[in-house]
Amino acid sequence: AQSVSQHNHHVILSEAASLELGCNYSYGGTVNLFWYVQYPGQHLQLLLKYFSGDPLVKGIKGFEAEFIKSKFSFNLRKPSVQWSDTAEYFCAGRSNTGKLIFGQGTTLQVKP
Amino acid sequence: GAGVSQSPSNKVTEKGKDVELRCDPISGHTALYWYRQRLGQGLEFLIYFQGNSAPDKSGLPSDRFSAERTGESVSTLTIQRTQQEDSAVYLCASSWRTISSYNEQFFGPGTRLTVL
Repeated sequence: AQSVSQHNHHVILSEAASLELGCNYSYGGTVNLFWYVQYPGQHLQLLLKYFSGDPLVKGIKGFEAEFIKSKFSFNLRKPSVQWSDTAEYFCAGRSNTGKLIFGQGTTLQVKP
Repeated sequence: GAGVSQSPSNKVTEKGKDVELRCDPISGHTALYWYRQRLGQGLEFLIYFQGNSAPDKSGLPSDRFSAERTGESVSTLTIQRTQQEDSAVYLCASSWRTISSYNEQFFGPGTRLTVL
């Protein structure tokens, strides 16, 4: 069965620290992967996506993610977090039928 | 521009009652999805509509759940005889769907359902 898993459920960082959130997927075929973010009180919004091509994708607000096929991973990174990055982050993969399969989510708390 | 809207934003109901949740997708989006997020868990897919094709209902947890969509516009998700485990945030998303590829899903604000 297709699945997406996120390793970290709750991460606490100080401002300016570097961030890496793990995401692994398990399904074959065409791989489309996404990172969504949900800021407190706001909608889910897309941070970045991978469909094909360059495995290093850059998204909004300085985030990037690297698709490593051999490791079935799509980890999210940011070199220096800000307090405003406090949010819940979801990794997702798109199934053949179009629906998104989400990981459990990671809550990031950035201390000022 | 207008995004995906959902109503009500909050719904409190008693166990055993029926509820209807509404989603207005972005105009022109042919694909519409319903997901649910229970406390402390990730988002679960419920149902997917694409144009006039038969919906993908594979994520509906029981026959108490059903959804309809009128053409390529509004969708309603109905939960009959609600149970406490139905308490969750119900999210709707819509996207363009081209013949050759799928596109980004845009999410609404969700409806927070609480079953007492």
